[in-house]
Amino acid sequence: GENVEQHPSTLSVQEGDSAVIKCTYSDSASNYFPWYKQELGKGPQLIIDIRSNVGEKKDQRIAVTLNKTAKHFSLHITETQPEDSAVYFCAAKGPGGTSYGKLTFGQGTILTVHP
Amino acid sequence: NAGVMQNPRHLVRRRGQEARLRCSPMKGHSHVYWYRQLPEEGLKFMVYLQKENIIDESGMPKERFSAEFPKEGPSILRIQQVVRGDSAAYFCASRITGSSYEQYFGPGTRLTVT
Repeated sequence: GENVEQHPSTLSVQEGDSAVIKCTYSDSASNYFPWYKQELGKGPQLIIDIRSNVGEKKDQRIAVTLNKTAKHFSLHITETQPEDSAVYFCAAKGPGGTSYGKLTFGQGTILTVHP
Repeated sequence: NAGVMQNPRHLVRRRGQEARLRCSPMKGHSHVYWYRQLPEEGLKFMVYLQKENIIDESGMPKERFSAEFPKEGPSILRIQQVVRGDSAAYFCASRITGSSYEQYFGPGTRLTVT
């Protein structure tokens, strides 16, 4: 089955700096890669996603890049703010028919933005 | 438009009791996924259901766990004879029918087994 590795496990930045979180996946047939933000005591919140037919997607301060050849994708947050502090999870979805849409998650990255 | 709803938010059970977790998907969503999150770990897929059907239960423990999504009412994750190792946060996510892949999560139920 699919396996997703996420790095780093913790990331500490100063307010205004950029933050980058990286994930690799094992199943070359995976075709959808979402990123979730989870605040303490809450459920994961979908913040951005990318499909395998796209190399990059941007939404204001966040962007995701996908390298299908290398089987890795990354989350980029620019101009970080203290409210960006949370746990971030990457995930991958296998192709339809075999995975039925279930997501395989990375282990999570604890992002701390210092004022 | 209300999001995914889960109840209860917190559930305490003694070893050997039953736990019932409920999930109401977003309006118009007919696909429900259950995930489990152990302390300081990522989310692990458990089961995928559509109305009245279990589509994929490959992540569900073979014993004591069951799930349903009836024609009317919420999806239910049931854990019989709970053990301490069942203590975790249980999240459900819903997805709209069609080619959309986005899954939206509820706030979770935090189960504590004493």
